[in-house]
Amino acid sequence: KAGVTQTPRYLIKTRGQQVTLSCSPISGHRSVSWYQQTPGQGLQFLFEYFSETQRNKGNFPGRFSGRQFSNSRSEMNVSTLELGDSALYLCASSSEPYNEQFFGPGTRLTVL
Amino acid sequence: TQLLEQSPQFLSIQEGENLTVYCNSSSVFSSLQWYRQEPGEGPVLLVTVVTGGEVKKLKRLTFQFGDARKDSSLHITAAQPGDTGLYLCAGLYNFNKFYFGSGTKLNVKP
Repeated sequence: KAGVTQTPRYLIKTRGQQVTLSCSPISGHRSVSWYQQTPGQGLQFLFEYFSETQRNKGNFPGRFSGRQFSNSRSEMNVSTLELGDSALYLCASSSEPYNEQFFGPGTRLTVL
Repeated sequence: TQLLEQSPQFLSIQEGENLTVYCNSSSVFSSLQWYRQEPGEGPVLLVTVVTGGEVKKLKRLTFQFGDARKDSSLHITAAQPGDTGLYLCAGLYNFNKFYFGSGTKLNVKP
């Protein structure tokens, strides 16, 4: 089985721009979660989707949004980028919500 | 404040030494997972523990879940350079959300 894939792997943007990151879960997995990882804050939960519905959301501003498609692929969007949004964004999939999570390699976002 | 506190934050040891990493909380977790992450990659799941007092072994790694399901430990016997990485614990809280510890950065010198 192919693992979780994330695109792009690296991204450089400037303040004020917006960005869309993509995640393809393991085949058959219906739950996708997104995390932000920074050296200072560690891994912080962004949101979780199951069967196209957002089931849970972390404590991030409304600039961070996401969605899930009928094939379980997910995207997250960050609008009006700030310098502090520079981070590794990780996607994890699981067969059911709150089951064991399998992570993708992440998207490294740099905001200049 | 983190829901899960990991200690130590950094550990640098010689090949062949033993080590223990701790993951503590004042909250009860439904389950707890341990991951290892290498630079530039996503975390890789090592183990999931579910039952209080549970002990699981994965070759030279031993994982324990506290009786009250509030804490966990990871013990590595005879560490090798290939064990180098960031070790993360993650607890499933209230059947609702995973919370991650801040991580333990392990460096095993040959």
